Amino acid sequence: DSGVTQTPKHLITATGQRVTLRCSPRSGDLSVYWYQQSLDQGLQFLIQYYNGEERAKGNILERFSAQQFPDLHSELNLSSLELGDSALYFCASSVGGGSPYEQYFGPGTRLTVT
Amino acid sequence: AQTVTQSQPEMSVQEAETVTLSCTYDTSESDYYLFWYKQPPSRQMILVIRQEAYKQQNATENRFSVNFQKAAKSFSLKISDSQLGDAAMYFCAYRSVYSGGGADGLTFGKGTHLIIQP
Repeated sequence: DSGVTQTPKHLITATGQRVTLRCSPRSGDLSVYWYQQSLDQGLQFLIQYYNGEERAKGNILERFSAQQFPDLHSELNLSSLELGDSALYFCASSVGGGSPYEQYFGPGTRLTVT
Repeated sequence: AQTVTQSQPEMSVQEAETVTLSCTYDTSESDYYLFWYKQPPSRQMILVIRQEAYKQQNATENRFSVNFQKAAKSFSLKISDSQLGDAAMYFCAYRSVYSGGGADGLTFGKGTHLIIQP
């Protein structure tokens, strides 16, 4: 158990809908990362937040957005969902916002778009 | 942008034998971190081993060791005395030491599916 929690574990929704994935980082970790794992694209970095502020962006679509709240939990919002958005979405956390810090991964949220 | 390539989609090894998983990467940076992550059927991402590019000594964690060849941009993982619990997808990953502009995220290879034959 990494100490990172993600809810829900599974989510099934229809095309065109909007969903919110939630992540609670390990106690004391200020940085949260979101990754997408799909059959087509593999594992991709989406976005990072550090202490409430957006820190870095990866291959995140404009239909997707994220935020980190004062209690440091983070939410990833996916809108206008398409079949191709079906994937496993991971959240990871680290103590700091820079490279020396190890990222600890949560168990993931499996999103199925039908 | 950095890229990570794992050329072996699947590898098979007998229990108790040794197996080496390959990884190559492309970068123009001189300092960075490299990782091997394990993803068992549970889908949890587990850090296996990490290597700092400025260190010449290869990292070792129990039965897991790496062969880091900086000039060749190669980073292979050796698993000794393979166990049934080692069966998983293994991902090689790169991370820049420079913060900002997407540099903090990990760049992953496509993965190698490791099968352990009893």
